Amino acid sequence: EVQLVQSGAEVKKPGESLKISCKGAGYKFSDRWIGWVRQMPGKGLEWMGSIYPGDSDTRYSPSFQGQITISADRSISTVFLQWSSLKASDSAMYYCARQVASNLIDYWGQGTLVTVSS
Amino acid sequence: QTVVTQEPSLTVSPGGTVTLTCASSTGAVTSSYHPNWFQQKPGQAPRSLIYSTNNKHSWTPARFSGSLLGDKAALIVSGVQPEDEADYYCLLYYGGAQVLGGGTKLTVL
Repeated sequence: EVQLVQSGAEVKKPGESLKISCKGAGYKFSDRWIGWVRQMPGKGLEWMGSIYPGDSDTRYSPSFQGQITISADRSISTVFLQWSSLKASDSAMYYCARQVASNLIDYWGQGTLVTVSS
Repeated sequence: QTVVTQEPSLTVSPGGTVTLTCASSTGAVTSSYHPNWFQQKPGQAPRSLIYSTNNKHSWTPARFSGSLLGDKAALIVSGVQPEDEADYYCLLYYGGAQVLGGGTKLTVL
């Protein structure tokens, strides 16, 4: 059974760094893209970027380029989403999603709630 | 920046049929954009329904279908059930990039 399991909720202060994770199971982890999606409170879904764990090819949406870092560790079947200096506006739910080839998103993680507040 | 546009909200009666659409600021949506559709209920993660315009996942109820309608992608829900009340999002592929639509809030009333 394919599963994407995300790390738990985080509460951080502005300026702090953060790395959240998404662990894949039930399939060959290195063979499928994993994307990250942001959902701010009461708002819609926004595609942030994605990574192919097989070779760490990473693509960022223009709105998120330079604001986040997506990485992968194949040895533990995990993809990461990282901020070096959080802002209050980074407070949101973050989802990871599995992408097959270039035309299909199938499985989603359960979400990680990030709260940034002083 | 590319914008994908959906109806903000739609209302349908139980048992009825509703069509949700997905438009691209770049022009007509074709199968090469591989439209995907997702359903999200309050407090839940999104769930994938349709990929590559009209293909269903193994878990997608038969009442959901996808198509191209004019210059847009469409999600059609036939025989709407109360549990279909949710937010629906489309996603279009632009070469190596993906863009999500703003979502449609579907009310079953």
